[in-house]
Amino acid sequence: KNEVEQSPQNLTAQEGEFITINCSYSVGISALHWLQQHPGGGIVSLFMLSSGKKKHGRLIATINIQEKHSSLHITASHPRDSAVYICAVVRGGSQGNLIFGKGTKLSVKP
Amino acid sequence: EAGVTQFPSHSVIEKGQTVTLRCDPISGHDNLYWYRRVMGKEIKFLLHFVKESKQDESGMPNNRFLAERTGGTYSTLKVQPAELEDSGVYFCASSPAPQVNPDFGQGTRLTVV
Repeated sequence: KNEVEQSPQNLTAQEGEFITINCSYSVGISALHWLQQHPGGGIVSLFMLSSGKKKHGRLIATINIQEKHSSLHITASHPRDSAVYICAVVRGGSQGNLIFGKGTKLSVKP
Repeated sequence: EAGVTQFPSHSVIEKGQTVTLRCDPISGHDNLYWYRRVMGKEIKFLLHFVKESKQDESGMPNNRFLAERTGGTYSTLKVQPAELEDSGVYFCASSPAPQVNPDFGQGTRLTVV
C-alpha cells in the first residue's frame, strides 16, 4: 500500500461540474502539495498547505491533519482543467523529500 | 524571469552508456530537488540540494547515480552506467526556501535501450 493514496484514479466530468479529488496519507508530514501535470509533461505547483484551507481562483485545497486527508476542489470546471492532479506530502522531519501519489487523471468534456 | 530549465528534453542511450542531465534552477533559489517517474509508477524523490550541499540524498537508487551542484547554481545528474530500469522522466524543481512552493522544470525523458 502506497503511503499516499489518491482517489479517484480517473475522473471524467462535464464542463461546469464541481470536482473533488481526494488524497489520504499514512505518514507524519510537515506539509502537503497539490500539483498539476498537463499532457505536455510540465508540473505546476498549485498549493502547499499544512493546515486549513487555501483558495486560488476556482481551485480550493483543504487538509485535515488529524484525519490525514486532503481534498482538491475545482469549481465550475472547464476543459482547460484537464490534467493529472498529483498529491505529494513532505515527510515529517525532511524539507524536500516528497512522497507522491499516483495522480488523478481529470478529463473535462465541453 | 526564466523558469527551471532542464537539458536535454529527451535522451535515448544504450545500456551501459553514460548520460548527464542538467538542471538550471531559477536564479536565487538555494533549494534544488531531483525527482523521477519510472513508467507506470508514481514520482519518486531522489535528492535535495541546499546551495551546493546535499541536504538529503536518501532517494538516490544506487551508486550509478551521481548528482552535483558546483557553486550552488546549476545541477547535474549523471547516470553511469545506465541500465534499462533507469528509463523514465527526471524532474528538477527549485525553491527559495523549503517552505515555499517549488517551481518544476519540464523534465528530461530518458530512454535506455
